[in-house]
Amino acid sequence: DGGITQSPKYLFRKEGQNVTLSCEQNLNHDAMYWYRQDPGQGLRLIYYSQIVNDFQKGDIAEGYSVSREKKESFPLTVTSAQKNPTAFYLCATARGRGGTEAFFGQGTRLTVV
Amino acid sequence: GQQLNQSPQSMFIQEGEDVSMNCTSSSIFNTWLWYKQDPGEGPVLLIALYKAGELTSNGRLTAQFGITRKDSFLNISASIPSDVGIYFCAGQFSSGTYKYIFGTGTRLKVLA
Repeated sequence: DGGITQSPKYLFRKEGQNVTLSCEQNLNHDAMYWYRQDPGQGLRLIYYSQIVNDFQKGDIAEGYSVSREKKESFPLTVTSAQKNPTAFYLCATARGRGGTEAFFGQGTRLTVV
Repeated sequence: GQQLNQSPQSMFIQEGEDVSMNCTSSSIFNTWLWYKQDPGEGPVLLIALYKAGELTSNGRLTAQFGITRKDSFLNISASIPSDVGIYFCAGQFSSGTYKYIFGTGTRLKVLA
């Protein structure tokens, strides 16, 4: 069954802790993206990766880190340096060239308690 | 951060009415995408547009790629209650970075 799997669906974190969100895909897409969505707002780009072992900062990368060791996986770590981490996080993939569609996972809702 | 200007921000319509929304940018895109997002879920792709002037339909949905390559339009005909949700546009740059920039969303509410 092809697709993008984000886990967990809901995540609670204590202040000061790092937490890692998982994104796995079996679509054989080269490009992967992480977006943050706040209530009533659009999607803002955190990080993106067009090939394995390479990634670029998006518009709001501060307080986040990523790795791309495998084509299938693009985990996002929300560090304690992120001042307002409570949000809905969306992972997306694309074939990684111009003129292609992006597809999304189901999202992870992170809540800092 | 970069976001596209999408309007209207929200709209209430009666079931059976047609709906129009649009997205504008100061940048030129080589691809325009339209998504629908239900609460607590990831956005689902509705329509993809690849050429300036292109008009594409998907059931009751029709979208157009503006000829200036800086705007796009989505129309929904004969709306039904399940059309409720947030609609996002997205543009993909042609510069080689292949980033997608998203609109601020149009929240649609359909009154039965």
